[in-house]
Amino acid sequence: AQSVTQLDSHVSVSEGTPVLLRCNYSSSYSPSLFWYVQHPNKGLQLLLKYTSAATLVKGINGFEAEFKKSETSFHLTKPSAHMSDAAEYFCVVSDLFNNDMRFGAGTRLTVKP
Amino acid sequence: DAGITQSPRHKVTETGTPVTLRCHQTENHRYMYWYRQDPGHGLRLIHYSYGVKDTDKGEVSDGYSVSRSKTEDFLLTLESATSSQTSVYFCAIRRDTTQETQYFGPGTRLLVL
Repeated sequence: AQSVTQLDSHVSVSEGTPVLLRCNYSSSYSPSLFWYVQHPNKGLQLLLKYTSAATLVKGINGFEAEFKKSETSFHLTKPSAHMSDAAEYFCVVSDLFNNDMRFGAGTRLTVKP
Repeated sequence: DAGITQSPRHKVTETGTPVTLRCHQTENHRYMYWYRQDPGHGLRLIHYSYGVKDTDKGEVSDGYSVSRSKTEDFLLTLESATSSQTSVYFCAIRRDTTQETQYFGPGTRLLVL
C-alpha cells in the first residue's frame, strides 16, 4: 500500500521569507503526487500535481514542488510567503488503477507579519 | 469551481439516528468519492463510485453505506450514527479529462452527540 508522510505538522514563517513544506511518499508504482491547500473552513484546492512529466512542477500562487525519486520526496516551496498563504497543506499520492488516493496528515502554515 | 455542492453543510444529530449526506455534481462525471477529515489523519476515503449503481469501499468504510441512482448524485448514509463519526465530510469528483486529479466540494460538518 502506498503512503505519505508530511514531516512537519506546523510550519511558521515570516512574511516575505521562503516556505518549505516537506513530504515523503511510499509507493510500489510510479506515483502521481499532488499538493492541495485548505483555507480555514473551506474545501480543498489543487495547488499542483506531478504525473511523470517534468520533475519540477509549478503550481498556482507561486508554489512549486520537485519530485525526487531517489529521495522519495515531493517538497513544496515558495520563494516569498504572503499572509494569504496561511492555510493547511496536504501532500497526496495517487494510484489511478486502484482508485487509491492517500493523504498526508497535513501541515499547517502560519505566516507572521 | 467544479460544480459540486454538498447538503447539508452542517448537521447535529444524536447517537443511533440515521443520517444521509448528499453530494451533487453538475458536470456528469463518472467518478465520485466520499472522504472524512479528522485532525492528524488528513482525508481518508470512505467509499467511491465509478458509475450509476457502481460503488466500492475505501479505507474507512465500516459504518457507512452509499448509493448512486443518478450520475449527478452520490449519497452517503450513516445507518446508526456514532460519536466516532463526528467529522467533516468531503465529496470529490474526478473529471474524466484530468485523469487522477480530484476536485472537492465545500464539505459537511457533522456532529454526533
